[in-house]
Amino acid sequence: GEDVEQSLFLSVREGDSSVINCTYTDSSSTYLYWYKQEPGAGLQLLTYIFSNMDMKQDQRLTVLLNKKDKHLSLRIADTQTGDSAIYFCAEGRSGGSYIPTFGRGTSLIVHP
Amino acid sequence: EAGVTQFPSHSVIEKGQTVTLRCDPISGHDNLYWYRRVMGKEIKFLLHFVKESKQDESGMPNNRFLAERTGGTYSTLKVQPAELEDSGVYFCASSLGTGGWGTEAFFGQGTRLTVV
Repeated sequence: GEDVEQSLFLSVREGDSSVINCTYTDSSSTYLYWYKQEPGAGLQLLTYIFSNMDMKQDQRLTVLLNKKDKHLSLRIADTQTGDSAIYFCAEGRSGGSYIPTFGRGTSLIVHP
Repeated sequence: EAGVTQFPSHSVIEKGQTVTLRCDPISGHDNLYWYRRVMGKEIKFLLHFVKESKQDESGMPNNRFLAERTGGTYSTLKVQPAELEDSGVYFCASSLGTGGWGTEAFFGQGTRLTVV
């Protein structure tokens, strides 16, 4: 199976919360990342969390980490049409110079 | 300050032809990385340069792919001869220092390669 797994699509209504889930396999992961790719653009680091943390909040973004279950989630509050993009979960390991291993990406579609 | 730039943004070539992708990292970034995303699949690591040296090329799919970074500045990724399964988006990223990625890496917009 893949090292990092995430669902491929999520559709939400504008103003609702979005929750994008991710599971990873390597318990030695040190950094867990969320990247965003807007249409025609490159990957943008959205947020990250250290593996010794449970939660990180940054404005409308909340990252939750369950290290026991190797589960990571990204919650976007008050989702806007501008949040429509592909969101990639990634893990980085200290033994690998933290170079991320990415998932397939979740396409978030926000409709009015 | 200019970000990571990649050329071309799109390339359509026939099977068996050669294509060269270029990446210009952020000035002063010693680390340069190539990734590839085949449609619908995960973004896969190809290789990592530290200056002009290949630090890790474990992700290179086969010997049809050749990456270079002469002088430790820009990098090229050549595919020769191209096959249909090489189609995808090729991303380049760069980061400061020799300690690796951390939270310092920046991506280019990618080159979309289509082999027909």
